[in-house]
Amino acid sequence: NAGVTQTPKFQVLKTGQSMTLQCAQDMNHEYMSWYRQDPGMGLRLIHYSVGAGITDQGEVPNGYNVSRSTTEDFPLRLLSAAPSQTSVYFCASTYMSSYNSPLHFGNGTRLTVT
Amino acid sequence: SQQGEEDPQALSIQEGENATMNCSYKTSINNLQWYRQNSGRGLVHLILIRSNEREKHSGRLRVTLDTSKKSSSLLITASRAADTASYFCATDSLSVRGAQKLVFGQGTRLTINP
Repeated sequence: NAGVTQTPKFQVLKTGQSMTLQCAQDMNHEYMSWYRQDPGMGLRLIHYSVGAGITDQGEVPNGYNVSRSTTEDFPLRLLSAAPSQTSVYFCASTYMSSYNSPLHFGNGTRLTVT
Repeated sequence: SQQGEEDPQALSIQEGENATMNCSYKTSINNLQWYRQNSGRGLVHLILIRSNEREKHSGRLRVTLDTSKKSSSLLITASRAADTASYFCATDSLSVRGAQKLVFGQGTRLTINP
């Protein structure tokens, strides 16, 4: 029972490079989301999805793209990395998109942009 | 924008003592959730309290909610070294699609000294 799996665990990019952070869940959750965690800032919502083919912006979406072609996967793309995107990224999912449903988190991807 | 704000930012106590963390928020909510994060790991859901509930227990955890003061507290009784972690409160809002969007506070870093 893997839960929410994020890959890679660590990544170093140069400014301007692109990459995709992978997130997969095996719990048949309809809701998936991406957060970034920075010191002193807590977690901030980047993008989220309530089902395959449906994505929406969160609090800090600029510089990031997402797509949801399957229920299981929700990749996060950085098209042109910037030092301001150095952060720890968490993917989270839950079984329903309405109230009162706790999030299940992956263990994060630590990204450094130089 | 941050909805929940935890207080204190850091707390250090002796093993066996009780630990109390507080969370304040600004707008009306449907529920408030508490999560724990061990170093280098993703967040783990601890407890959810609905807006019409005033108190909830789960093992050594006790959560209170005062909607008139827009505040919540998390009490951990008889603390153990394994309770050392960061604790976050999260409040919900609904997106235009009716999906849950959790907004996290900055967290309280709890250290249990042996």
